[in-house]
Amino acid sequence: QSALTQPASVSGSPGQSITISCTGTSTDVGNYNLVSWYQQHPGKVPKVMIYEVSNRPSGVPDRFSGSKSGNTASLTISGLQAEDEADYYCSSYTTISSYVFGTGTKVTVL
Amino acid sequence: EVQLVESGGGLVQPGGSLRLSCAASGFVVSSDYMAWVRQAPGKGLEWVSVIYGGDNAKYADSVRGRFTISRHNSQNTLLLQMNSLRPEDTAVYYCARLGAVTMALDCWGQGTLVTVSS
Repeated sequence: QSALTQPASVSGSPGQSITISCTGTSTDVGNYNLVSWYQQHPGKVPKVMIYEVSNRPSGVPDRFSGSKSGNTASLTISGLQAEDEADYYCSSYTTISSYVFGTGTKVTVL
Repeated sequence: EVQLVESGGGLVQPGGSLRLSCAASGFVVSSDYMAWVRQAPGKGLEWVSVIYGGDNAKYADSVRGRFTISRHNSQNTLLLQMNSLRPEDTAVYYCARLGAVTMALDCWGQGTLVTVSS
């Protein structure tokens, strides 16, 4: 199972919006609405930010939103804040009943 | 409070074996889907294995045939038996719970470092 494709880095100024893409295939992202997004600060444990494409767990700010079109899922951070600077990973369920992560995106707040 | 605590990591020679444990509190391991995820130094996250109901488990291609995931229900613990270890298995290994509602990894342990080197 190949990793989902994400841009290596995305940057934005405080208050701006950024979008991270996550491209898979018809055997994962395109076939299921079981896409989740994780935030990982340096040296910390990953934290789920979005599940089932667009749902936010309790406690996650509403400036984080998710969507999907075809084989590509997206995470949008609106009103970018300094504490949003971190690595972000998407993940999807697959047709072989397993999961796969994306390659990861480093978000930099300018 | 829901919590996961891994143990068992360390330095092992290529070809050796190691068993990781993940003690759960605040929920019952046998009632939830569980997973192992690893992260090589400076690299991204990689699904290693996931266990569903009973012994139904899936593995990444990179570890299939060498690693075995299981539950020790009486100790409320998730296990990962790792055999025929290779230098490329060097990573921090996290155990995590797949939330029943979210089907996402909603609870993670702090991770345990496995180093495969001679």
